[in-house]
Amino acid sequence: EDQVTQSPEALRLQEGESSSLNCSYTVSGLRGLFWYRQDPGKGPEFLFTLYSAGEEKEKERLKATLTKKESFLHITAPKPEDSATYLCAVQAGNTNAGKSTFGDGTTLTVKP
Amino acid sequence: DTGVSQNPRHKITKRGQNVTFRCDPISEHNRLYWYRQTLGQGPEFLTYFQNEAQLEKSRLLSDRFSAERPKGSFSTLEIQRTEQGDSAMYLCASSLFYNEQFFGPGTRLTVL
Repeated sequence: EDQVTQSPEALRLQEGESSSLNCSYTVSGLRGLFWYRQDPGKGPEFLFTLYSAGEEKEKERLKATLTKKESFLHITAPKPEDSATYLCAVQAGNTNAGKSTFGDGTTLTVKP
Repeated sequence: DTGVSQNPRHKITKRGQNVTFRCDPISEHNRLYWYRQTLGQGPEFLTYFQNEAQLEKSRLLSDRFSAERPKGSFSTLEIQRTEQGDSAMYLCASSLFYNEQFFGPGTRLTVL
């Protein structure tokens, strides 16, 4: 069964203090790993898709990387508006596989 | 692009009543997913459709839950004989085949 574990559960940073969020996964043949941002009371918002080990994607202050067992979301010089819960999800490469298995997220709080 | 929409946004019901939620996906997306999310947890897969065909249903899903996607457009999720444990955010997402999923704002269900 596919599993995703995210750490830490919560992270508090000062504005400008860079850090990384971890997503460890086990999946039978990875088709894709996804990062989402979720604000309170809203649906997840898509950020990145990573397909193979060594791949990296960037968007503003966020950079996602992928190895064979984990993914990192690096946040450089965060701002208060980056405060949110960040979710990681994996999609298996089985035939007809469509569902994504999500971790429980890391709740990031950035203080000004 | 109007995004994924869900109705109603909030539903309060009494235990034992039936409820139905609606999801309108992004128009060109052929896949539609239902997830359930409780506080502090990541989204939990319920079921998904490719066009009008329901391709997978979670083994954890009670027989009280049923979903349809007539004509491959909008989808409905019905919960019969609601229980307090059904209280959660119900999220709908859509995608083009295996690509990243785009989520709606969710329907918050409270069972009294």
